[in-house]
Amino acid sequence: DSGVTQTPKHLITATGQRVTLRCSPRSGDLSVYWYQQSLDQGLQFLIQYYNGEERAKGNILERFSAQQFPDLHSELNLSSLELGDSALYFCASSVEPGGQRSHEQYFGPGTRLTVT
Amino acid sequence: KNEVEQSPQNLTAQEGEFITINCSYSVGISALHWLQQHPGGGIVSLFMLSSGKKKHGRLIATINIQEKHSSLHITASHPRDSAVYICAISPPRQLTFGSGTQLTVLP
Repeated sequence: DSGVTQTPKHLITATGQRVTLRCSPRSGDLSVYWYQQSLDQGLQFLIQYYNGEERAKGNILERFSAQQFPDLHSELNLSSLELGDSALYFCASSVEPGGQRSHEQYFGPGTRLTVT
Repeated sequence: KNEVEQSPQNLTAQEGEFITINCSYSVGISALHWLQQHPGGGIVSLFMLSSGKKKHGRLIATINIQEKHSSLHITASHPRDSAVYICAISPPRQLTFGSGTQLTVLP
């Protein structure tokens, strides 16, 4: 158990809908990262937050947004869902903000999103 | 060309065999990570390396920064080692992932 929690575990929804995925980092970790794992693209970095501020952005679609709250949990909002958004969404946490140094990341169990 | 290349894509071994998975990358990095993804989907961080070699139980990870290459070795492999092994690099900040190696260890 990494100490990172994600809810829900599974989500089935229809095209055009909006969903919110939630992540709670390990106790003491200030950074939260979101990743998408799809069959055709593999694992891809979406976005990072550090202590409530956006720190880095990757291949995140404009239909997707995220935030980190004062209690450090994070939410990933996916809107106008398309079939191609079906994927596993992982969050990970680390103690440090990243920058030029790397720090070990601890992954949550993931949320499996199926868009029908 | 992907920044991170892993080989092989698939690997089948007999229990007890010594296994090597390779990872090459093409950009400067601050660290390289080896991850294990279980059949259920969960991801576990195995190693984070910036130089040299690390060992944890039957797993050994090495990195050659000059050659931009890392290897993950599993000694005395066991069916419970069956999983996808993913190499990831961190230039600044976010991780960039290889496509993974599906390892199957047969009893």
